[in-house]
Amino acid sequence: DAKTTQPTSMDCAEGRAANLPCNHSTISGNEYVYWYRQIHSQGPQYIIHGLKNNETNEMASLIITEDRKSSTLILPHATLRDTAVYYCIVRVADNDMRFGAGTRLTVKP
Amino acid sequence: NAGVMQNPRHLVRRRGQEARLRCSPMKGHSHVYWYRQLPEEGLKFMVYLQKENIIDESGMPKERFSAEFPKEGPSILRIQQVVRGDSAAYFCASSNARASVNYGYTFGSGTRLTVV
Repeated sequence: DAKTTQPTSMDCAEGRAANLPCNHSTISGNEYVYWYRQIHSQGPQYIIHGLKNNETNEMASLIITEDRKSSTLILPHATLRDTAVYYCIVRVADNDMRFGAGTRLTVKP
Repeated sequence: NAGVMQNPRHLVRRRGQEARLRCSPMKGHSHVYWYRQLPEEGLKFMVYLQKENIIDESGMPKERFSAEFPKEGPSILRIQQVVRGDSAAYFCASSNARASVNYGYTFGSGTRLTVV
C-alpha cells in the first residue's frame, strides 16, 4: 500500500471548517483513500473514503486531487467533540488497513 | 447492540502471567483484525483472521502471542508470559468481507492491558 504523509498536529477554531491534508504521492490506480479518527483512546471511527471523485457524508467531505496524489478531509463546522487524531490511509480494497501516525486536531473554543 | 464487543475493557496482569483478550465481531461479520496501540503511538496491525483461519499474522510478535477465531465464539488474542512492554491498548475490528470497499472496519472500544 502507498504511504501517506500528514501534518503532526493542527488547530482549528470551533465553528470553523477544519481542513486536514494528506499526501499520498505513490498511490496506485486501484487504491482507495480512507479516513478514520480516534477520539481520546477510543476505538478508531470510520469517517469517509473515496477513489477518484469527491465524497460527502453526514460527517465530512473528502476532496481528492485530480492526480490523486493528495486529498483533504473537511469537517465543515468543527466542534470541540471533533478533537481527535485523524488518520489518512490508502489501501487496495482487499488489503488490510494500516495506520500511520495521523494528525492530532485540536478544536479550540 | 450490533457493535464490536471487546472484553475485558481493562486487564491487569503480573509479569509472567497470561492475558486473554476477547473480541466478538459485529453480527454478520466473519473477518476480524487485531491492532495494538502503545502509549502515545499509532495503531499497529497485528493479525487478520477469518473463521477458523489465520490469514495474515505479519504484525504478530513471533513469540508469546497467538490468536484464534473459532467456528463458534469470539476471537481470542492470547499473550503468554506477559512483560511490561506488552502494556498497551488492544483493539479489535471486524468487517463483513475483506474485499468490501464500501465498508470500513468497525472497531471495538479496546482492551487496556497493564502489566505490573
